[in-house]
Amino acid sequence: DTEVTQTPKHLVMGMTNKKSLKCEQHMGHRAMYWYKQKAKKPPELMFVYSYEKLSINESVPSRFSPECPNSSLLNLHLHALQPEDSALYLCASSQDTGTATYFPNTEAFFGQGTRLTVV
Amino acid sequence: GQNIDQPTEMTATEGAIVQINCTYQTSGFNGLFWYQQHAGEAPTFLSYNVLDGLEEKGRFSSFLSRSKGYSYLLLKELQMKDSASYLCAVRDRKVTGGGNKLTFGTGTQLKVEL
Repeated sequence: DTEVTQTPKHLVMGMTNKKSLKCEQHMGHRAMYWYKQKAKKPPELMFVYSYEKLSINESVPSRFSPECPNSSLLNLHLHALQPEDSALYLCASSQDTGTATYFPNTEAFFGQGTRLTVV
Repeated sequence: GQNIDQPTEMTATEGAIVQINCTYQTSGFNGLFWYQQHAGEAPTFLSYNVLDGLEEKGRFSSFLSRSKGYSYLLLKELQMKDSASYLCAVRDRKVTGGGNKLTFGTGTQLKVEL
């Protein structure tokens, strides 16, 4: 199973709503990621989790709150979003090389994304 | 930080060969990835380079020169289905807390024509 599953596929929410995006993988990967992608732009890293601990937060506004309840699941909680937050949100997972100084291929497997529209 | 550049668009003919270039300037480097992304879909992994030289994988090859901060993706025997965005991504040096910091380039939209 080389799939990363994201739900929902589409989400429309108001600026006062609270919603959550979900991501699941069963490849045994211990690193999981959230990316944001606007139209015709590359994915931008938001958060990195390693062994269920937050490793990187790329100065993301607090209205985005990640959570990694176990090694297979990654959530992104959304609250009080702005229309400019409308984008494709991609979850990814990869092997984590830990403290290795020489990095092998740790290709990231991406989910199909959640298309978020904030109205 | 990372600065990664690619041509915005390229057009090529079915059956031909196309080379997509990527140049990067990074504060730390530990590997370069190429991904393909069709419109509305997730990026899918194509190739990986961490040492200088050429990596070949079927119709796709990727080259890396670390001293020049340069990579290219070579696509042979182009097919219509190869029309997609091609993303070069650089992995930063070891992240203290674990995981990989992958920064994507601007992406190259390739159009394959008959």
